[in-house]
Amino acid sequence: QVQLVESGGGVVQPGGPLRLSCVASGIRFSSFGMHWVRQAPGNGLEWVAFIRYDGNKKNYADSVKGRFTIARDNSKNTVYLEMRNLRPDDTAVYYCAAAGNQWLDPWGQGTLVTVSS
Amino acid sequence: SNVLTQPPSVSVAPGQTARITCEGTSIGSKSVQWYRQKPGQAPVLVVFDGGDRPSGIRDRFSGSKSGNTATLVISGVEAGDEADYYCQVWNNQVWDDNSDQWVFGGGTKLTVL
Repeated sequence: QVQLVESGGGVVQPGGPLRLSCVASGIRFSSFGMHWVRQAPGNGLEWVAFIRYDGNKKNYADSVKGRFTIARDNSKNTVYLEMRNLRPDDTAVYYCAAAGNQWLDPWGQGTLVTVSS
Repeated sequence: SNVLTQPPSVSVAPGQTARITCEGTSIGSKSVQWYRQKPGQAPVLVVFDGGDRPSGIRDRFSGSKSGNTATLVISGVEAGDEADYYCQVWNNQVWDDNSDQWVFGGGTKLTVL
């Protein structure tokens, strides 16, 4: 059974950094692209970033480009989201998800990031 | 960028059929996915590639497309179907790998009366 577990969320001051991790089990992790998607409180889903199975292709939403970096370590079955220069509107639950052909499945349970002074 | 428009809410009585629409330019040429999200839970894929279902998703869920509108159809609605539903497409430029974007609709709250 595939399981994705996010960690690293918490409260951070505006302008600060934070790194999220997502550990995968039950899949051949090195064969799958991975996504990060976020959901601000009471709002809908917003795609954040994608990394290809080999790490050699990365895509970002315009809202995070230049501030967020997606990375992966296939030896640890882990995908990361390095976030810097965080703003209050980055406050959200951050989900990781495995990449299907053009879809996202399955999803982790999410980790909450709160940007506040 | 491709904007996907969904109605904020849809209400249906138990046993009836719910139809949730997703409108967007060029949607006719794209693969459309649908996700269900219950309160406090992560999204779950219920329909992919327009009309296919992942294992474990009942055949009460189906998808269709006409012109620039995709529709999620839930037949025989049950109380447990009450949730937020999101459509999603992949926007890509063949000549530019760096421009790929995955876009979600704004979501539709399905209420079972």
